[in-house]
Amino acid sequence: EAGVAQSPRYKIIEKRQSVAFWCNPISGHATLYWYQQILGQGPKLLIQFQNNGVVDDSQLPKDRFSAERLKGVDSTLKIQPAKLEDSAVYLCASSRGSGKGYTFGSGTRLTVV
Amino acid sequence: GESVGLHLPTLSVQEGDNSIINCAYSNSASDYFIWYKQESGKGPQFIIDIRSNMDKRQGQRVTVLLNKTVKHLSLQIAATQPGDSAVYFCAENREYGNKLVFGAGTILRVKS
Repeated sequence: EAGVAQSPRYKIIEKRQSVAFWCNPISGHATLYWYQQILGQGPKLLIQFQNNGVVDDSQLPKDRFSAERLKGVDSTLKIQPAKLEDSAVYLCASSRGSGKGYTFGSGTRLTVV
Repeated sequence: GESVGLHLPTLSVQEGDNSIINCAYSNSASDYFIWYKQESGKGPQFIIDIRSNMDKRQGQRVTVLLNKTVKHLSLQIAATQPGDSAVYFCAENREYGNKLVFGAGTILRVKS
């Protein structure tokens, strides 16, 4: 089966600019996750979708981050305005929702200068 | 606060030797644990998982051990190869809803 697709692979922006990331999960996977991975750390969950509904966004900085999953398939994560501390790899993952079978994409590496 | 952590940030082993990567978790309510391998520029890749009703599970060249008494998880890699060089994360599943919490990771370096 095809993996989780993410784009772009890399992005460099100046602070206070906005940026958007896109994720296409594995076909049939109802659950979609966005993780933030700062260099040298493990991934941290930002938001979890079940179909097109939000299950958990408790760690999403809602003053600057937003995410949507239209039609329960693709998802976009947006940052506006970006801060230096947002520099990280943003990983998208999907699963069938059974507690296993997570598959991660390769991520988008964001550098804020 | 509660966390999933690792004892050793970097592990260097000789090719052909066995590797053991350790992980401590703090939430006794966690019931599912996964080990991931992450190579540079890639997302985490599933290696092996274990549920809390088990204490050992074996895969191809890998074994995961779970000690619920001391809340400790380990990953054993047999006959370590250069291709095993990567960062290894343990993750625990907390609460209903399949939310994974990751530790900080251990770098495994394999010397030829």
